[in-house]
Amino acid sequence: NAGVTQTPKFRILKIGQSMTLQCAQDMNHNYMYWYRQDPGMGLKLIYYSVGAGITDKGEVPNGYNVSRSTTEDFPLRLELAAPSQTSVYFCASSYRSDGYTFGSGTRLTVV
Amino acid sequence: KQEVTQIPAALSVPEGENLVLNCSFTDSAIYNLQWFRQDPGKGLTSLLLIQSSQREQTSGRLNASLDKSSGRSTLYIAASQPGDSATYLCSPSGNTGKLIFGQGTTLQVKP
Repeated sequence: NAGVTQTPKFRILKIGQSMTLQCAQDMNHNYMYWYRQDPGMGLKLIYYSVGAGITDKGEVPNGYNVSRSTTEDFPLRLELAAPSQTSVYFCASSYRSDGYTFGSGTRLTVV
Repeated sequence: KQEVTQIPAALSVPEGENLVLNCSFTDSAIYNLQWFRQDPGKGLTSLLLIQSSQREQTSGRLNASLDKSSGRSTLYIAASQPGDSATYLCSPSGNTGKLIFGQGTTLQVKP
């Protein structure tokens, strides 16, 4: 009963490096999301997907890319990391607008 | 654009008090509204989901109400306990499943 699994839990990147944040869910949810949460702030939507092969931008997509080749996986790619991308990243999945489940987060620091 | 405001931003109460957390949103064309709990350094846990056609939902000591036309929701916590200490986030969504978050209310319940 894993739910939503995010890896890694922590990561430090240097400016200009790239990395992929992994997200996998085992609930056969069709909807998946990536959010970022800056200190003391609410969550902001980066990208979302309503099914395999379909992705769309959220509120803050610049500097990120996503793909959804399977129902289970929704990786988030950071290209050319910048200090402004220091944040906690949460992946979530849902059955449309119900049954929201969040992962435990990835804490990313860009130095 | 949907915007969410939660009042108060922080609240500290002695154990046993009944609490009301307030949430307002600017776009009343919502599909549902959810209340989440976030413990420090953790992901979000769904507490209550109210469909747009409903007026309230209850789970144990928690009761959430929704007045869609006025763009307001409240979360009532009865007989608060130290274990209720966390940040509470309210989030309306449209039928695309995308959640919009406010900054939350950080609650501390003192023994």
